[in-house]
Amino acid sequence: QKEVEQNSGPLSVPEGAIASLNCTYSDRVSQSFFWYRQYSGKSPELIMSIYSNGDKEDGRFTAQLNKASQYVSLLIRDSQPSDSATYLCAVIKGRRALTFGSGTRLQVQP
Amino acid sequence: GAGVSQSPSNKVTEKGKDVELRCDPISGHTALYWYRQRLGQGLEFLIYFQGNSAPDKSGLPSDRFSAERTGESVSTLTIQRTQQEDSAVYLCASSLDPGGATDTQYFGPGTRLTVL
Repeated sequence: QKEVEQNSGPLSVPEGAIASLNCTYSDRVSQSFFWYRQYSGKSPELIMSIYSNGDKEDGRFTAQLNKASQYVSLLIRDSQPSDSATYLCAVIKGRRALTFGSGTRLQVQP
Repeated sequence: GAGVSQSPSNKVTEKGKDVELRCDPISGHTALYWYRQRLGQGLEFLIYFQGNSAPDKSGLPSDRFSAERTGESVSTLTIQRTQQEDSAVYLCASSLDPGGATDTQYFGPGTRLTVL
């Protein structure tokens, strides 16, 4: 079992719709959770971080964390074609290095 | 500069040659990380520096890989006797508050290494 699992996609949504990206992690001692966006050929850029159970909203983005279920999600409201990218879920569990999932490719259709 | 910088942006080398990759972290960031991303895959952790010491080098794939850091500044990742499987993008990240609840890592643009 991978430490951080994501559906590779592609996840295709129409412009203006809500995109829902999911991530599960295997180690219960994971402490901090991050969503990075990576455009093709570019380095990852931080979208959201979340540390406690519940929802965290930032503009069109909402991160949701459920530690009991070991589940993290990212919702993107009013999806735009410019949101088309690979979304990487990452966790930190003590050693401070990020453990990444393999990413979900999102395609927003105009 | 404002962000993490890396050089060179691209490096093409022949199998068996040594290469050095450089990372300049964000000023004031005490923690520095190296990751590798093979084509179409996720990021793999290589090594983590706190200041100029490396408390976690568990991700280095072989003894051909080494890294050092000068103080809380520049880091160099060295790959000796490169192999074709070393071809990847090597990403550096830095963070301000290692071990804290807000240990957010910011990535540089990466060095694309191609071993012929």
